[in-house]
Amino acid sequence: GENVEQHPSTLSVQEGDSAVIKCTYSDSASNYFPWYKQELGKGPQLIIDIRSNVGEKKDQRIAVTLNKTAKHFSLHITETQPEDSAVYFCAAPFYNTDKLIFGTGTRLQVFP
Amino acid sequence: EAGVAQSPRYKIIEKRQSVAFWCNPISGHATLYWYQQILGQGPKLLIQFQNNGVVDDSQLPKDRFSAERLKGVDSTLKIQPAKLEDSAVYLCASSLDRARGQETQYFGPGTRLLVL
Repeated sequence: GENVEQHPSTLSVQEGDSAVIKCTYSDSASNYFPWYKQELGKGPQLIIDIRSNVGEKKDQRIAVTLNKTAKHFSLHITETQPEDSAVYFCAAPFYNTDKLIFGTGTRLQVFP
Repeated sequence: EAGVAQSPRYKIIEKRQSVAFWCNPISGHATLYWYQQILGQGPKLLIQFQNNGVVDDSQLPKDRFSAERLKGVDSTLKIQPAKLEDSAVYLCASSLDRARGQETQYFGPGTRLLVL
């Protein structure tokens, strides 16, 4: 079945630096890739998503890139702030359905 | 716009007891999902409804878990009897209409279950 691998599992950066989280997926037909941010004690919150007809999408300090040939997509956060500290999950659909398979998560810590 | 509502937020029970969780999706959202999130892992889909019909329940342990969405709005997830390994956060999510490609999922705050 569809498999989503996410790296790294933990990431520590200094405030103002950039952070990059990478995910790979196995189903070449996947066409929708959301990223979620989960703060302690809260449910996942959608922060950005990308569809397979574009290679990059940007929203202020957050960007996502997609490489369909290599079957990987990445989350880029620039000018990180302490409030960016959270667990980030990538996801990909299961064989052209809307059933999402989530990665294992990346715990991002931004130090002031 | 109000988000996905869930209750209770926390529940502690002993093994072999039963428990029920409630979810109210975003108004007008036809698709509803229940996920289980074990500590340190990503959410895993348990069951998916389109209106009041089940779309996917392949990962639902049907010997102990059940879920319903009788009127196509609110939903309940029940565990009976609970096991220690059911300790997790149970997340409810909804999307506007998967059948029309509007599949962005919005999550509720979750119910944290501890089975002793």
